[in-house]
Amino acid sequence: DTEVTQTPKHLVMGMTNKKSLKCEQHMGHRAMYWYKQKAKKPPELMFVYSYEKLSINESVPSRFSPECPNSSLLNLHLHALQPEDSALYLCASSHPGQGGDTEAFFGQGTRLTVV
Amino acid sequence: QKEVEQDPGPLSVPEGAIVSLNCTYSNSAFQYFMWYRQYSRKGPELLMYTYSSGNKEDGRFTAQVDKSSKYISLFIRDSQPSDSATYLCAMRSNDYKLSFGAGTTVTVRA
Repeated sequence: DTEVTQTPKHLVMGMTNKKSLKCEQHMGHRAMYWYKQKAKKPPELMFVYSYEKLSINESVPSRFSPECPNSSLLNLHLHALQPEDSALYLCASSHPGQGGDTEAFFGQGTRLTVV
Repeated sequence: QKEVEQDPGPLSVPEGAIVSLNCTYSNSAFQYFMWYRQYSRKGPELLMYTYSSGNKEDGRFTAQVDKSSKYISLFIRDSQPSDSATYLCAMRSNDYKLSFGAGTTVTVRA
């Protein structure tokens, strides 16, 4: 099973709303990622969690707040977003570290529209 | 100069043709190389994963890595209309950060 499950698939939110994106994997991966992808662009890294601890924050605005409650779950809390934050938000997971078997698997994404 | 260069295309081929995709990179520390396929409005799907230099084959797909030239390739044999998608190369060193190419849009004509 190489599945990363993201919910919801689609989300429309107003600029004053608070919402959360969820990601789940059961591959035993201890590294989990959030990416943002705009149309016709490659994914851009936002956050990396390794062993449930935040290890990389790519200078993401504080209106995006990640959380890793356990080794299988990753959340992205959204608050006071701007229309330019509308994008496909992708979760990924991998084994951490070096060597083989460290490829990253992506979920199907949450398509977020901020109105 | 971008760290990973990939021709965005678009690339259009007839059904049954060989699709040839490639990326060049500048960071000699990259050791892990991946190819992803992404259909419109979907997440990237891992196609091939290679550690260091060499060739890897999986069904109709062949990935090649030439670290001395900083050049990677993906070949798709006997292409099908269902192969129409955007293909992203990605690579990293020993940290977690994947560096992506721009993606090449491929259309296989029936």
